[in-house]
Amino acid sequence: AQSVTQLGSHVSVSEGALVLLRCNYSSSVPPYLFWYVQYPNQGLQLLLKYTSAATLVKGINGFEAEFKKSETSFHLTKPSAHMSDAAEYFCAVSPPRNSGNTPLVFGKGTRLSVIA
Amino acid sequence: EPEVTQTPSHQVTQMGQEVILRCVPISNHLYFYWYRQILGQKVEFLVSFYNNEISEKSEIFDDQFSVERPDGSNFTLKIRSTKLEDSAMYFCASSESGQGFAGELFFGEGSRLTVL
Repeated sequence: AQSVTQLGSHVSVSEGALVLLRCNYSSSVPPYLFWYVQYPNQGLQLLLKYTSAATLVKGINGFEAEFKKSETSFHLTKPSAHMSDAAEYFCAVSPPRNSGNTPLVFGKGTRLSVIA
Repeated sequence: EPEVTQTPSHQVTQMGQEVILRCVPISNHLYFYWYRQILGQKVEFLVSFYNNEISEKSEIFDDQFSVERPDGSNFTLKIRSTKLEDSAMYFCASSESGQGFAGELFFGEGSRLTVL
């Protein structure tokens, strides 16, 4: 069974500072990993996904994440935070291809606040 | 840009009442999902639906819940007799391919259900 742990329910950074949102996963098979973002009053939007190709994945809005098997981590980073990055961020895991229509398992989410 | 739409955005109901949450998935998508998020907790999978039948459901999705695609465009979640613990944000999602193939899920903005 897959699971995801997001460290820190709330992260606050200054505008222009590095953003680091942590995600650790547990999976019995090499997983697919995802980061979703939820802006206020909107649905969940895919930021990026890892599907066993390159371990460093680039997503939208300047975000990227690195899959580290040895650390079972998939942390999300952005070099310089913008005010518009303030949102809720969700890490999610699913089994890899050919596992059928198996649901995504989400973490509890991390709320990112950006201070001017 | 195509999007998943959900109605209502917020519903308040009395315990024991029936509630129907509606979703219009993206038109060429084949897989449909309901997730929910109780305030402060994880986004949890409820059910997936493909080819006019449930393909997978979680233990949360008991006999009080049902899903239907009545007319080829809408996808509904019915809760027959609501309980206080059903209060949550309910997210509908759709994808062109199943999640096991790392298909991107497109989420709606959510329907907030408050049970009094």
